[in-house]
Amino acid sequence: AQSVTQLGSHVSVSEGALVLLRCNYSSSVPPYLFWYVQYPNQGLQLLLKYTTGATLVKGINGFEAEFKKSETSFHLTKPSAHMSDAAEYFCAVSTVAGGFKTIFGAGTRLFVKA
Amino acid sequence: DAGVTQSPTHLIKTRGQQVTLRCSPKSGHDTVSWYQQALGQGPQFIFQYYEEEERQRGNFPDRFSGHQFPNYSSELNVNALLLGDSALYLCASSPDTNTEAFFGQGTRLTVV
Repeated sequence: AQSVTQLGSHVSVSEGALVLLRCNYSSSVPPYLFWYVQYPNQGLQLLLKYTTGATLVKGINGFEAEFKKSETSFHLTKPSAHMSDAAEYFCAVSTVAGGFKTIFGAGTRLFVKA
Repeated sequence: DAGVTQSPTHLIKTRGQQVTLRCSPKSGHDTVSWYQQALGQGPQFIFQYYEEEERQRGNFPDRFSGHQFPNYSSELNVNALLLGDSALYLCASSPDTNTEAFFGQGTRLTVV
């Protein structure tokens, strides 16, 4: 079975500062990994995904994540936070063996201070 | 392309009642999954439909059932509603051969 742990339910950064949201996963088979963003009262929007190949994945809005198999991690980063980045972020995992059922972490709320 | 559309956007039901939520997948997508997102939590997988059959199911009671129609649209039915069923219900669609799911805006269900 797969699982996802997001470290820190809340993260606060200043505008222009580095954003780092942590995600660790558990999977007995090669995982597909995702980061989604959710704005208040809205659905989920895909930021980026890792399936195979290059371990550094670039997504929308300047976000990127690196798949580190040895650390079972898939942390999300952005060099410079913007006020519009304030939202809830979810890390997720799915596998071929799991029929691509997507398992989500509990989420990290990002606050951006002016 | 309209993307994934869900209806209604909000509804309020009384304990013990039954509710039906609807989802139209993104054009070209034949797989529909349903998720329950309680306040302050991540989405929890309910079930997935493909070719009008339930292909996978999460840890939800039989009160939760679904259906997929020939045009790939889907319904989620919940019987004997409990207060704990209050949540945002998300529908996601994907091409069967793709790993990426596209989500709708959700239906906010409040049980009183």
